[in-house]
Amino acid sequence: AQTVTQSQPEMSVQEAETVTLSCTYDTSESDYYLFWYKQPPSRQMILVIRQEAYKQQNATENRFSVNFQKAAKSFSLKISDSQLGDAAMYFCAYRSAAGGTSYGKLTFGQGTILTVHP
Amino acid sequence: ETGVTQTPRHLVMGMTNKKSLKCEQHLGHNAMYWYKQSAKKPLELMFVYNFKEQTENNSVPSRFSPECPNSSHLFLHLHTLQPEDSALYLCASSPTSGGARKGQFFGPGTRLTVL
Repeated sequence: AQTVTQSQPEMSVQEAETVTLSCTYDTSESDYYLFWYKQPPSRQMILVIRQEAYKQQNATENRFSVNFQKAAKSFSLKISDSQLGDAAMYFCAYRSAAGGTSYGKLTFGQGTILTVHP
Repeated sequence: ETGVTQTPRHLVMGMTNKKSLKCEQHLGHNAMYWYKQSAKKPLELMFVYNFKEQTENNSVPSRFSPECPNSSHLFLHLHTLQPEDSALYLCASSPTSGGARKGQFFGPGTRLTVL
């Protein structure tokens, strides 16, 4: 079974600065997808960025980028030019690319609470 | 707004009550999910439905009973719950065609308190 670990329960950053959230995972599969989700205090979970394991290029979405290290099974999220609206709980998630009954299942990490200081 | 709605947003119920949570998605997806989010714990996947068929039940107690009448609607029927069932219940949906790379889309959740 896959597991996802976020070792930082809480992180803080100054507005306009850069912060990196860590995520590691364990899997025996070679094809899978990784995601970062953001859950603001309003509780609506929002997809921030995704990475396909077969792509070596790191995904980027505006101020959000990932550092995907497949061999190390590491998937960190970098937030540049942090804004007050970035304050939220961030979840790393894994999804197998295989079909069958496991199709669609996301395995989440424990989450990291990000605080942004003005 | 992600196209997934949940009602009610807040629910307080006694242990002997019967209530239902509703989820509706307007995204044309064919897979729907129920998650439980408790404080200081990872999200727990409860049920998965693909094309209205339940494909996963993660050892959820029978006091939680899901229902998926069509691909757009998902219910979670609750009866004789325990205080430890108090949590945020999240619904999500995803496409099945090319869906793996697109992830899941979540509703705002129902905050459930069991007295």
